[in-house]
Amino acid sequence: DADVTQTPRNRITKTGKRIMLECSQTKGHDRMYWYRQDPGLGLRLIYYSFDVKDINKGEISDGYSVSRQAQAKFSLSLESAIPNQTALYFCATSDRGSFGYTFGSGTRLTVV
Amino acid sequence: GQQLNQSPQSMFIQEGEDVSMNCTSSSIFNTWLWYKQDPGEGPVLLIALYKAGELTSNGRLTAQFGITRKDSFLNISASIPSDVGIYFCAGLNYGGSQGNLIFGKGTKLSVKP
Repeated sequence: DADVTQTPRNRITKTGKRIMLECSQTKGHDRMYWYRQDPGLGLRLIYYSFDVKDINKGEISDGYSVSRQAQAKFSLSLESAIPNQTALYFCATSDRGSFGYTFGSGTRLTVV
Repeated sequence: GQQLNQSPQSMFIQEGEDVSMNCTSSSIFNTWLWYKQDPGEGPVLLIALYKAGELTSNGRLTAQFGITRKDSFLNISASIPSDVGIYFCAGLNYGGSQGNLIFGKGTKLSVKP
């Protein structure tokens, strides 16, 4: 099983719909992150959480919200999806004493 | 905010050639990391650099942490088709409220057999 699992892998949704992307990890890491990848723009941080009670906005948090349900689970919600939120979304984890992030395989989201 | 300038944006090379890519910043970083993203997958850590001037190898990959702490490069020797993917540099500062990685925009590598 993958260390960081994202569901779904692909999703097509309509404009205005609420959608949740889920991430779970078996690495026992405290820190979890949500990134968005667009062609030519690299990875941009949406939200991050250093522990269950800690939630922080990243570079591009507008239009998104998150929930850290447990140490192992961190979900990303689009309250009212819009077409320019079409992108590849990655969840990542890291340990407090380490700087290497472990990424999930990504969720490809298309908003039509 | 802090930004990393990664170049080149893309490369098309012949199998067997060496590859060089780099990352620069106007800010100082304490750690530099290099990731590779295979098509359809998430980025995977290749090399981590923790000290200015550090030169580290991982198989055919070699990366260096610049003396000024504002740059890093990654070399791939004798490229093979499975080197195809997007390579990202990432920098980290220990201080500040975030302590998060800042990613470059990536170098897309294509290898012709």
